[in-house]
Amino acid sequence: QKEVEQNSGPLSVPEGAIASLNCTYSDRGSQSFFWYRQYSGKSPELIMFIYSNGDKEDGRFTAQLNKASQYVSLLIRDSQPSDSATYLCAHTGNQFYFGTGTSLTVIP
Amino acid sequence: NAGVTQTPKFQVLKTGQSMTLQCAQDMNHNSMYWYRQDPGMGLRLIYYSASEGTTDKGEVPNGYNVSRLNKREFSLRLESAAPSQTSVYFCASRPTGGSQPQHFGDGTRLSIL
Repeated sequence: QKEVEQNSGPLSVPEGAIASLNCTYSDRGSQSFFWYRQYSGKSPELIMFIYSNGDKEDGRFTAQLNKASQYVSLLIRDSQPSDSATYLCAHTGNQFYFGTGTSLTVIP
Repeated sequence: NAGVTQTPKFQVLKTGQSMTLQCAQDMNHNSMYWYRQDPGMGLRLIYYSASEGTTDKGEVPNGYNVSRLNKREFSLRLESAAPSQTSVYFCASRPTGGSQPQHFGDGTRLSIL
């Protein structure tokens, strides 16, 4: 069983729509959760982190954490073509774990 | 503020050659990591160093060695390169503490012929 599961996609949404990215994890002891964005040919960059159950908003991005159900999600509102990238979910338990990423394409 | 710096950015090797990938961070982080990323495979951990003087194997350590030269620098060595090691290599660092994220360098694109 992988520590972090993500739907690899690809996920396509029209410009202006809400993109929803989901991640499940197996370590109930995980404390912190992160979303990274990776453009093609570039390195991962941190865009959101969340530590507590509930929602955390930062501009057009909202991270949602449900520890009881062991999932974390990222919502991107008013999606733009510049949001087209691969999104990696990560968390810290005993170690630092990354999912394999979900590819998002925003269609103009 | 440079963050995490990797050198070289690109490299082409012949099978059997050796080389060292360099990584340095200026954020005073204790932990450093080496990953490889292949299409469709996500990030796979090769080695990590929780603190200066310690190193541990990750998911795919075979064919690689590492050195944590000091707190700033963590190098990755391929002793005898193989075509299967063609990949993009990322170095990352993070502070000590369970809630801290990793910060990545720009990567090294390595091709082995």
